[in-house]
Amino acid sequence: DTGVSQDPRHKITKRGQNVTFRCDPISEHNRLYWYRQTLGQGPEFLTYFQNEAQLEKSRLLSDRFSAERPKGSFSTLEIQRTEQGDSAMYLCASSAGAYNSPLHFGNGTRLTVT
Amino acid sequence: KNEVEQSPQNLTAQEGEFITINCSYSVGISALHWLQQHPGGGIVSLFMLSSGKKKHGRLIATINIQEKHSSLHITASHPRDSAVYICSTQGGSEKLVFGKGTKLTVNP
Repeated sequence: DTGVSQDPRHKITKRGQNVTFRCDPISEHNRLYWYRQTLGQGPEFLTYFQNEAQLEKSRLLSDRFSAERPKGSFSTLEIQRTEQGDSAMYLCASSAGAYNSPLHFGNGTRLTVT
Repeated sequence: KNEVEQSPQNLTAQEGEFITINCSYSVGISALHWLQQHPGGGIVSLFMLSSGKKKHGRLIATINIQEKHSSLHITASHPRDSAVYICSTQGGSEKLVFGKGTKLTVNP
């Protein structure tokens, strides 16, 4: 088991472009979370999946953001028409099915919008 | 809305010192997490606790539910402990609320 994997590690894009990030959770984990972290701040919850179902979304997730987990395994987070304010570290985490199971985080994707 | 406050924001210590980082929250929770984040972004879960005290190696985490307060202690601190330590709380849903983190620097 290699842990939670995120790709790419870094992404630089121009304002207005679309970007897509991928997260591969630990294989037996059915819960997957996306968080966003800006410099000097703690992470902020974006959305959460249980298997393929997206069960909770933050108000931070505007209509330019969409997340999917089509087969209940890997997940993608897409940002359309990127803005400079989207620049942040996007973190993925996964956990097993039991409530309050520990979270395992990936190393994140750092997005810079120029 | 739950607010999670950590103190101090920054902490510098000499190797070997006993470290305490504090976390306060404003509403009832089901669990509290202590996380460690190294430069570059990777986050490691250190503890998840809902009552009492947990110990792992040189790290100790305590929580007082009545006072809505938790502490993370590091005994015999070492330069490799230098990182950002983040407290986060979990309420009735899967959504975690995070503090801003405490940046710890341990000098040799």
